[in-house]
Amino acid sequence: NAGVTQTPKFQVLKTGQSMTLQCAQDMNHNSMYWYRQDPGMGLRLIYYSASEGTTDKGEVPNGYNVSRLNKREFSLRLESAAPSQTSVYFCASSVAYSNQPQHFGDGTRLSIL
Amino acid sequence: ELKVEQNPLFLSMQEGKNYTIYCNYSTTSDRLYWYRQDPGKSLESLFVLLSNGAVKQEGRLMASLDTKARLSTLHITAAVHDLSATYFCAVLNNAGNMLTFGGGTRLMVKP
Repeated sequence: NAGVTQTPKFQVLKTGQSMTLQCAQDMNHNSMYWYRQDPGMGLRLIYYSASEGTTDKGEVPNGYNVSRLNKREFSLRLESAAPSQTSVYFCASSVAYSNQPQHFGDGTRLSIL
Repeated sequence: ELKVEQNPLFLSMQEGKNYTIYCNYSTTSDRLYWYRQDPGKSLESLFVLLSNGAVKQEGRLMASLDTKARLSTLHITAAVHDLSATYFCAVLNNAGNMLTFGGGTRLMVKP
């Protein structure tokens, strides 16, 4: 009963390095999301995928790319990491266009030096 | 652009007391969610409010939605230490594809 699984849980990068955050869900959800949470703030949507094969920008997409690999997996890539991207990243999933709440992973704590 | 504001941002209260957290949002929506987050942890869904006048209760927490006022409240009754956490409201846009979060209310319940 894993739900939404994110890897890695922690990562430290140097400025300019690249990295891919992985997310997988086993709830047969159509929609998946990537958020970032900065200290003392709410979550902000980076990108989402309403269904397999589609991706769309959220509120803060600059500096990120995503790939919806299949129905289960949705990855987030930082091509050239910057200190401003230091944050906690959450992946979530939900039934597409439904009223059911989104289910969240445990987060990836990313520090960029 | 949908904006969601919560207040207060921080709340320190004594056990046994009652208090209300407020969530205001800027554009029409009739779908609002409350989540709880413990320090260093993920978000846990608490309530889903889907229509004007909706009220949901779970233990010492009660949430309500007034879509005309664009306001939701989370009322805490007789607080206990275990309720200490950060509470977020989130509003779903009319297209049903994007959730906008408030800034969160950090609740600390003291013995």
